[in-house]
Formats: sequence, C-alpha cells, structure tokens
Amino acid sequence: EMQLGESGGGLIQPGGSLRLSCAASEITVSSNYMSWVRQAPGKGLEWVAVIYSGGSTYYVDSVKGRFTISRDNSKNTVYLQMNSLRAEDTAIYYCTRGVGSTTAFDIWGHGTMVTVSS
Amino acid sequence: DIQMTQSPSSLSASVGDRVTITCRASQNIGNYLNWYQQKPGKAPKVLIYAASSLQSGVPSRFSGSGSGTDFTLTITSLQPEDFATYYCQQSYSSIRITFGQGTRLEIK
Repeated sequence: EMQLGESGGGLIQPGGSLRLSCAASEITVSSNYMSWVRQAPGKGLEWVAVIYSGGSTYYVDSVKGRFTISRDNSKNTVYLQMNSLRAEDTAIYYCTRGVGSTTAFDIWGHGTMVTVSS
Repeated sequence: DIQMTQSPSSLSASVGDRVTITCRASQNIGNYLNWYQQKPGKAPKVLIYAASSLQSGVPSRFSGSGSGTDFTLTITSLQPEDFATYYCQQSYSSIRITFGQGTRLEIK
C-alpha cells in the first residue's frame, strides 16, 4: 500500500528552524511530483512547495527564501527545511503526491503539527 | 496567482438531499481543477480530477462539471458520511497551485 509518513513537527520559537521529513512507502519520491501542503488551525489548505522528479523546486511566495524542499533518493524521503519561522507558519504540514495532467494530490500523509510560539 | 473562490462557504442539508458547490477561478484554467473532501482530523481525499473524472473508489453520487472559470461539485442523495468540508484546487499553474477557501457541509 502506498503511504507517506511525516515527522519532525513540534513547538518552536519565532525565528527558529525545523526540518520536516516525509518517508514514502511503495512510492518512489524521485519519480514523482512531491509537495507539502499546510493547514493553519481552523483554516483552509495552502500549497507550500513542490519538488519535481527532475529536481526543480518551487514555493508559495510567503515561504520563499525561508523554506527549502529537498529529497534523499537513497532514503526515499522528502524534506522541508523551515528557517526564520513565524507565528503565521503554525499549521499542520501534509506531504502529498501529485499525479496526472491536472496534478491531483492522490496520496497524503497524516500530517505533522508545527507550532511557532514564544 | 490564480484565485479560487468557492460558494457557499457553508451549507446545511439533509440526508438524501442533492447539493451543489461552486468554484470560480480568477482566470481560464481549462479543466485543471480537482475536488477534495476533508473530514475533521483527517487528511484531504481527492474526489474528482480534471474537473469531471471520478477518482477510483469514490461513490458515483459525486460528480463534477465545468471548464474555463466555473466549476461545480454535485452530490446526489447525501449520505451521513458526506458531511465534511470540500475544497477545489487549480493546477493550471502547477508551480503555483491554489485551493479554494472551502465549503463546510453540515447536517440540517
């Protein structure tokens, strides 16, 4: 069964850094469009970043220059390095796979909570 | 960025009802539109992709239509498990994906 599992969330002070991990099972991350999507408490979904199979990366404007998406093919894991964290980054962070011509997110992890607070 | 606007933001309905949720894009996105269902404490689940294609395993009471800027998700004969929040998502710009703000479907 194809699965994604996030880890690395927690409570962090403003200005701090955190690295999220997304371990994949039965999905080869290097062959897929892998994204992070976040959801602030009680709010809607916000796409955060993508890493293409070819390695290109893109970000939502609000995290550009602060977040970095990457992957380790040997570990079949995707990462989200988050620096200079702000209160507005507080959210559940989901790892997800996009498929097809319309990039439908068909596989999602359970999410990991990041709380930025002093 | 392409803005996605859903309406209504919330609605109340009864089991057995037919409901329609609308999603409007700020520019022409062709059929690059997907629909998701999210239940409390759970990750979203894709229902419809490419505006009108039913994802495998999703009940046929769910359907999608539209193209360009206006799209609809229709649920015929609502079941108790359908009460959830629904989101549309555009991928016309796959490097700047955006979601609608969500529609909360509640039991009347």
